[in-house]
Amino acid sequence: DMKVTQMPRYLIKRMGENVLLECGQDMSHETMYWYRQDPGLGLQLIYISYDVDSNSEGDIPKGYRVSRKKREHFSLILDSAKTNQTSVYFCASSFVGASAETLYFGSGTRLTVL
Amino acid sequence: KTQVEQSPQSLVVRQGENCVLQCNYSVTPDNHLRWFKQDTGKGLVSLTVLVDQKDKTSNGRYSATLDKDAKHSTLHITATLLDDTATYICVVGDRGSALGRLHFGAGTQLIVIP
Repeated sequence: DMKVTQMPRYLIKRMGENVLLECGQDMSHETMYWYRQDPGLGLQLIYISYDVDSNSEGDIPKGYRVSRKKREHFSLILDSAKTNQTSVYFCASSFVGASAETLYFGSGTRLTVL
Repeated sequence: KTQVEQSPQSLVVRQGENCVLQCNYSVTPDNHLRWFKQDTGKGLVSLTVLVDQKDKTSNGRYSATLDKDAKHSTLHITATLLDDTATYICVVGDRGSALGRLHFGAGTQLIVIP
C-alpha cells in the first residue's frame, strides 16, 4: 500500500521550543519534500531531499532544517519555534513517471506555536 | 508574485449539478499541469495531469483541459456528489523531473449541498 505517513497529526508548542516533525514513506522514493500550507496561499516549499544526506533549500527555508538519514524517513526540525511558524506542514514523496513527476502527500501536521 | 491563479475562490453547487474550475498561470516553462483534490484535514491527491500543448484528460466524472498558449486550464466535474466537497488545487511544474519547481495555486473550495 503506497503511503506517506506524518507524525504527529497535531502539535502545540510554546515559542522558543524545539519542534520535530517526522515523515515516512514505504515506496522507496528518492525525492521527498516538506511544504507548509497557509490560508489563502499555495503550498510553499521549505526543503527538498533528493536522497539520503542530499538536501536542498526550497523557497522558504529560514528557521527550518531537515534530516534524511534513511531513504524512507525525512524529518523537519524547527529550532526555537516562532509564532509565525504556526501552519499546516505537508510531507510528500515523488516518483517520476512517463509524463511527469507524481507527488504523494501525507495527511499533514497542524502545528500551533503559542 | 503569485504565478498560479485559481478561480473562483469558492463555489457552492447542488448535488447533481456540473461545475467548472479555472486555473491561469504565468509559469515558464510550463512542462505539465496537475489538478489535486484536498479533502478537509487531509493531504493532496492527484486527479489528473496534463502535458501536451493542448491537452484533454478524463478520469471518471472529472475532465480537464490545458491550453499552454493561453496558459489556462479548466477542471470540469460532472454530476457532483457530496463527496466532491473539497479544495481543488492547480499545480504547474516547470520540468518533468524532480529537479524542477512546482508552483501551487491557492485552490478553489468547492462545497456540494444536497
